[in-house]
Amino acid sequence: EAGVAQSPRYKIIEKRQSVAFWCNPISGHATLYWYQQILGQGPKLLIQFQNNGVVDDSQLPKDRFSAERLKGVDSTLKIQPAKLEDSAVYLCASRTGSEQFFGPGTRLTVL
Amino acid sequence: GEDVEQSLFLSVREGDSSVINCTYTDSSSTYLYWYKQEPGAGLQLLTYIFSNMDMKQDQRLTVLLNKKDKHLSLRIADTQTGDSAIYFCAETGARFGAGTRLTVKP
Repeated sequence: EAGVAQSPRYKIIEKRQSVAFWCNPISGHATLYWYQQILGQGPKLLIQFQNNGVVDDSQLPKDRFSAERLKGVDSTLKIQPAKLEDSAVYLCASRTGSEQFFGPGTRLTVL
Repeated sequence: GEDVEQSLFLSVREGDSSVINCTYTDSSSTYLYWYKQEPGAGLQLLTYIFSNMDMKQDQRLTVLLNKKDKHLSLRIADTQTGDSAIYFCAETGARFGAGTRLTVKP
């Protein structure tokens, strides 16, 4: 069974630029999560989707971050414009039943 | 502070047992999880426990849950150098602790 796929794996941008991350969850997993993991910290939930509906986006900085999952499968997370403090690893995860599986993450560096 | 709290560091000798502790706040969590993260790698689900259980054993791993005190622990028996990593506990609601860095000395 293929795992959660994410791209790109690494991205370097300058502040005030825009960036987008892509996630393809495990086939059949209805629940999809985006997390931000800053160096030295635990993952912080940004948004949770159930199919193509948003379940929890309470910690998403909506002035600059947006996410969508139009067909209930793939998802994109966008940051516009980026700030220095957005430098982090962005993790996508999908879930079925009790088990949640993480992708390898996208490491974002904002200069 | 963090909704899910863990001590930041633990150091043990190879062959000893390791116990990593966690306190959480969401009493409605259906499942509680332990993840392992090695340097530069993604998060690996180690084990999880259903909230109506108080213990779960899986090979060298033992999870204890005290629901009254909202306390979760992970015991690793016969700890090996390959167990050196950061261990995160997490609630069902996708809230993670800051992680405990386990160092195993030969």
